[in-house]
Amino acid sequence: KAGVTQTPRYLIKTRGQQVTLSCSPISGHRSVSWYQQTPGQGLQFLFEYFSETQRNKGNFPGRFSGRQFSNSRSEMNVSTLELGDSALYLCASSEGYSNQPQHFGDGTRLSIL
Amino acid sequence: AQKVTQAQTEISVVEKEDVTLDCVYETRDTTYYLFWYKQPPSGELVFLIRRNSFDEQNEISGRYSWNFQKSTSSFNFTITASLVVDSGVYFCALSSVNDMRFGAGTRLTVKP
Repeated sequence: KAGVTQTPRYLIKTRGQQVTLSCSPISGHRSVSWYQQTPGQGLQFLFEYFSETQRNKGNFPGRFSGRQFSNSRSEMNVSTLELGDSALYLCASSEGYSNQPQHFGDGTRLSIL
Repeated sequence: AQKVTQAQTEISVVEKEDVTLDCVYETRDTTYYLFWYKQPPSGELVFLIRRNSFDEQNEISGRYSWNFQKSTSSFNFTITASLVVDSGVYFCALSSVNDMRFGAGTRLTVKP
C-alpha cells in the first residue's frame, strides 16, 4: 500500500505570494489532517478534513485554507505569504477521524524569501 | 485549551540503557486519545501507540512500554535496553473532539 504522498517536497516563494500544497492519502483513508512544523512552535494542527468536510480547525489565520476532494486527496492553500510561514507542512491520513492512528507524509518544506 | 507538555527537550543515553520519556497533558474533555509518535532522522512521523481515556491499562510491546495514569494526567513512554535505532524525536499527542495537540517533542540520542 502506498503511503501518504505530498507534493511538492520543496517550495520557495516570496512574501505576498500564495501557495498550494497537495496531499494524497493512503488508499481507503477518509481523513486528512494538516500540520505546520517549525523549530520554534513545534507541530501545530492546521485542520482536518473528513469526507470533503472540514471537521476541525486549529488556531491559524484565515490565510490558511484547505479542501478535500471526493477521492480524499487534499490541498492546502496559504495566501499572502509571510516570512513566518516558512515551515515544514505535514499531511497525515487516517481511516476514520484523527483520533485514530495517523500516517504521515514526508512533508513539504516551504521557504519564504 | 488543551495542552501537552514534554518537559524533556533532549535526552542522551548509551546503548542498552533504559530511558523514560515523560508526557503530561491537560484537557477538560472526558473522552480523548493519547498517542506517541516517533520522528526518525529521515523525517516521517511514525505512529507508535494510541490509548483512549477509558483504558488505563499499561502496555508493553517488545522493548517499549507505556504507562498511562489519569490521576496524574501522564502518559509516559519507556524504552528498555535502548538501541541506536531508537534515536529520533518522540512526540506525545492528545486528540479530542475538537482539537489535536502535539507536545514539543523529546529528542532522544542513543550512543553506541
